[in-house]
Amino acid sequence: EPEVTQTPSHQVTQMGQEVILRCVPISNHLYFYWYRQILGQKVEFLVSFYNNEISEKSEIFDDQFSVERPDGSNFTLKIRSTKLEDSAMYFCASRAWSPTNEKLFFGSGTQLSVL
Amino acid sequence: QQQVKQSPQSLIVQKGGIPIINCAYENTAFDYFPWYQQFPGKGPALLIAIRPDVSEKKEGRFTISFNKSAKQFSLHIMDSQPGDSATYFCAAQETSGSRLTFGEGTQLTVNP
Repeated sequence: EPEVTQTPSHQVTQMGQEVILRCVPISNHLYFYWYRQILGQKVEFLVSFYNNEISEKSEIFDDQFSVERPDGSNFTLKIRSTKLEDSAMYFCASRAWSPTNEKLFFGSGTQLSVL
Repeated sequence: QQQVKQSPQSLIVQKGGIPIINCAYENTAFDYFPWYQQFPGKGPALLIAIRPDVSEKKEGRFTISFNKSAKQFSLHIMDSQPGDSATYFCAAQETSGSRLTFGEGTQLTVNP
């Protein structure tokens, strides 16, 4: 089965530093997403991205966050100035858009630890 | 109104048992209800999904029951196996939206 690939698997950073989390969605997919999961809690939507622009974002996705699809294959999430509460597992996901296929494929995640 | 409430938080059954996980929602605009399975260190993986035009959907050992009037849906796992031990999340989505709203998750343990 095709996979969404995320790198790195673990990222440790100091509070206030910028981090970039990277994802390679499945090649023929058109919709891209970032979700996060704080340890022991539910998975939360951050942002969706289609046709090179944000289509929807949550209250969590404030001005410190940005997304980009720099080269047609990678999809990145940037956190400009990390806070302790940004520590979480970040999941990239992608979906092939069609009326009959809503299956959302998740990557294995990047565990971000902000110290 | 965007929340999806899931119960129980954890569940332990013996091999061969039928664990049942329940979810409830308020937003009547939700019209797609998937269940995801997550193993430690991995991302959620779609298990089975249902739309409100049917009351039940079965795929292998997994069955979703859907009660539109009560705004509730549940996952049943028949003949559960130790390999089914994982965290299960229900979720919901509006046709007009792109986000999935997840429940809190249920940690299932199937003892041999």
